[in-house]
Amino acid sequence: SYELTQPPSVSVSPGQTASITCSGDKLENKYTCWYHQKPGQSPVLVIYHDNKRPSGIPERFSGSNSGNTATLTISGTQAMDDGDYYCQTWDSSTVIIGGGTKLTVL
Amino acid sequence: QVHLQESGPGLVKASETLSLTCTVSGASVSSGDYYWAWIRQPPGRGLEWIGSMYYSGNTFHNPSLKSRLTISLDTSKNQFSLKLSSVTAADTAVYYCATQDIAAAARHFQYWGRGTLVTVSS
Repeated sequence: SYELTQPPSVSVSPGQTASITCSGDKLENKYTCWYHQKPGQSPVLVIYHDNKRPSGIPERFSGSNSGNTATLTISGTQAMDDGDYYCQTWDSSTVIIGGGTKLTVL
Repeated sequence: QVHLQESGPGLVKASETLSLTCTVSGASVSSGDYYWAWIRQPPGRGLEWIGSMYYSGNTFHNPSLKSRLTISLDTSKNQFSLKLSSVTAADTAVYYCATQDIAAAARHFQYWGRGTLVTVSS
């Protein structure tokens, strides 16, 4: 079965750029989306179709997908961006969700 | 703006059936604009997709749960429901309902409910 692999944790200083990766076999051939979840809250879609931002998501969030890796980039990271990030794709009529990455803004 | 609200028992006994309902406002479950989905998250762990249903009856299931899973729509009440049979402690989780994109190969979840914690007791 298809799998998505994310690093367990990423740290970034306020104002710097955070990059969170999501790896899967030939992932560039699939659409990838990203969710942000803060403790005790529901996930929020921040990127879909690899690089599109839903209404209300700040421009500092961007996405890319090439080869076997999709990347979520947060430019000018703010303290409010900390939390868990999950990537997701669709394969063989099944939703595939990565294990999640905890972003710490130090 | 679509709003979703989960409801159901917060405690279920092992071997019994977990039943949850999601009440939808701001959209119609019979409109064809979305798939209607369930996702869960065990305490301290990641997200796990359970299954999704379209108004036409087309349904996708997580293969690991398919044999225990029933998802249904109630168009008269604008709700959709989840039934998971023969539950064990491993089914203890926060259960979310959500809308899911209908475009093939995309399938992202746009709107989420607040989630409801279901604990399976022995």
